[in-house]
Amino acid sequence: EVQLVESGGGLVQPGGSLRLSCAAFGFTFSNYWMTWVRQAPGKGLEWVANIKQDGSEKYYVDSVKGRFTISRDNAKSSLFLQMNSLRAEDTAVYYCASGSTYWLDPWGQGTLVTVSS
Amino acid sequence: DIQMTQSPSSLSASIGDRVTITCRASQSISSYLNWYQQKLGKAPKLLVYAASSLRTGVPSRFSGSGSGTDFTLTISSLQPEDFATYYCQQSYSTPFTFGPGTKVDIK
Repeated sequence: EVQLVESGGGLVQPGGSLRLSCAAFGFTFSNYWMTWVRQAPGKGLEWVANIKQDGSEKYYVDSVKGRFTISRDNAKSSLFLQMNSLRAEDTAVYYCASGSTYWLDPWGQGTLVTVSS
Repeated sequence: DIQMTQSPSSLSASIGDRVTITCRASQSISSYLNWYQQKLGKAPKLLVYAASSLRTGVPSRFSGSGSGTDFTLTISSLQPEDFATYYCQQSYSTPFTFGPGTKVDIK
């Protein structure tokens, strides 16, 4: 069964850091682009970043550029999101997603990040 | 960045109704348009990709159409399990922005 499982969320103070992980099961991870999408409480979906199969291309939404870094370890079928200088507006459920270059399928169940003092 | 809008933002419908949701892009995105369904407390699921291709396993009552800037998701006969929020997403250029969502609830 194809499955994505996120971890690493939690409560962090403004200005702090957190590293999210996403473990992939049931498919050849190294063949797919991977993406992070977030959803603030009660709000819509926001595309955050994606990374090419070999890690050679990475793209970010402007609001996280310079603060977040997406990476992957194909040997461990894992995706990561290093989040630094966190702000209250980064509070959200963070989803990892696979699929083609152009659409997202499947998605993980999400991990909640809360930025608050 | 490409801005995506959806209309309506919410709608109330009855079982068996035909439902149409519209998505508009701020510039032409060819057919790089996807639709997702999200139920409360759950992760989104892909319904339609490349504007009109139905994901395997998605019921045929769902269909997508459009190209350029204007797109439509249609549910031909609304079923109880279809009550959810629907999002469009452009994948023409990064960041691959989402629309604000359309919430479909029971009349």
